[in-house]
Amino acid sequence: ETGVTQTPRHLVMGMTNKKSLKCEQHLGHNAMYWYKQSAKKPLELMFVYSLEERVENNSVPSRFSPECPNSSHLFLHLHTLQPEDSALYLCASSLSTSGSNEQFFGPGTRLTVL
Amino acid sequence: GQNIDQPTEMTATEGAIVQINCTYQTSGFNGLFWYQQHAGEAPTFLSYNVLDGLEEKGRFSSFLSRSKGYSYLLLKELQMKDSASYLCAVRDPRDTGRRALTFGSGTRLQVQP
Repeated sequence: ETGVTQTPRHLVMGMTNKKSLKCEQHLGHNAMYWYKQSAKKPLELMFVYSLEERVENNSVPSRFSPECPNSSHLFLHLHTLQPEDSALYLCASSLSTSGSNEQFFGPGTRLTVL
Repeated sequence: GQNIDQPTEMTATEGAIVQINCTYQTSGFNGLFWYQQHAGEAPTFLSYNVLDGLEEKGRFSSFLSRSKGYSYLLLKELQMKDSASYLCAVRDPRDTGRRALTFGSGTRLQVQP
């Protein structure tokens, strides 16, 4: 138990569906992250929020839309996804975005797009 | 650009020592992290190096040489539960304003009896 929770743990959706992934951290951290982990590939940063300010990875398609209503909660809204978006989506948090502050990861949401 | 290389897979024997290497090429450098990830679970933090040298933490040690762009994770007295993927990650201050970690693909370690 890392102090970072994610729901749902598993999600199957069609390409026309709209769904949201939720992440919550109970560590008092100020930074939160979304990563995508595909088989045989490195963890890929998608979005970072620091003190509720977003830094966006420009390569993320617009069908992924993050939301950070406060420093404890992070959402990833999904719409019109493609089968290649099937992956493990990991949320992480850290005290800050600099120095030795390690990131604590949630258990992930296993997403399958049909 | 950024490039982080690790071996894809390694096999070692219970009770032995194994060294997992990581080489990196990044625009800048502001620390290197090692994470452990068991199958189906979240990555968990193992170590952090920002200065050259060896950091020891129990059975695990991590070494860094900034001039060579090289790090290794040393696991001693291997146990079956050490079977996992080991991820090397670098913080590059010139990448997304010092906020991001860039990860290698990970090394899957199989510990055999």
